[in-house]
Amino acid sequence: NAGVTQTPKFQVLKTGQSMTLQCAQDMNHEYMSWYRQDPGMGLRLIHYSVGAGITDQGEVPNGYNVSRSTTEDFPLRLLSAAPSQTSVYFCASRRQGQDGELFFGEGSRLTVL
Amino acid sequence: AQSVTQLGSHVSVSEGALVLLRCNYSSSVPPYLFWYVQYPNQGLQLLLKYTSAATLVKGINGFEAEFKKSETSFHLTKPSAHMSDAAEYFCAVSDGYGGATNKLIFGTGTLLAVQP
Repeated sequence: NAGVTQTPKFQVLKTGQSMTLQCAQDMNHEYMSWYRQDPGMGLRLIHYSVGAGITDQGEVPNGYNVSRSTTEDFPLRLLSAAPSQTSVYFCASRRQGQDGELFFGEGSRLTVL
Repeated sequence: AQSVTQLGSHVSVSEGALVLLRCNYSSSVPPYLFWYVQYPNQGLQLLLKYTSAATLVKGINGFEAEFKKSETSFHLTKPSAHMSDAAEYFCAVSDGYGGATNKLIFGTGTLLAVQP
């Protein structure tokens, strides 16, 4: 059982470039989310989804887009990368009604020059 | 809105000493509370959770936490630290009851160092 899989693990971008961080889960979880982790700031929610075709904004959505065409996949898109988006990104999922327990991927470390 | 505050961004203990990591929450409704651990270069994994059953919650690796409503606290403890406990620990509160849209709000984390 792979759980939550994120790719790539590392990425370096130049300012203005675009890219997509991939996230896939094989646990049939309805809820999926993206967090960013920055030193001294903990994890902050970017976007989340409660099922295919349904997405919503979290605490820090600006500069990021998401879509949810299948239950398994929840990609995060940066349309025009900025240095402020240098961070470690985590995808997490859970089943509906399961006391909020999240299952995390191993993270994607993004550097924007 | 729900929030959590973790007191102490860095905590250092000696091997074999008591571990105490502090977390206070703010919630307008009875909360679900969680402690997660993150080892270097890894994702977060659940240590334990409080979901309105027993106020003393036991988790993995010998950790436990006590929910104290009067103090709005959910501190994490372990009687005897081990070198392998060195990691970053995050307290989190759920802003709902496990419903479709409830989200986890994380604290800023406490980095635990264990000295030999």
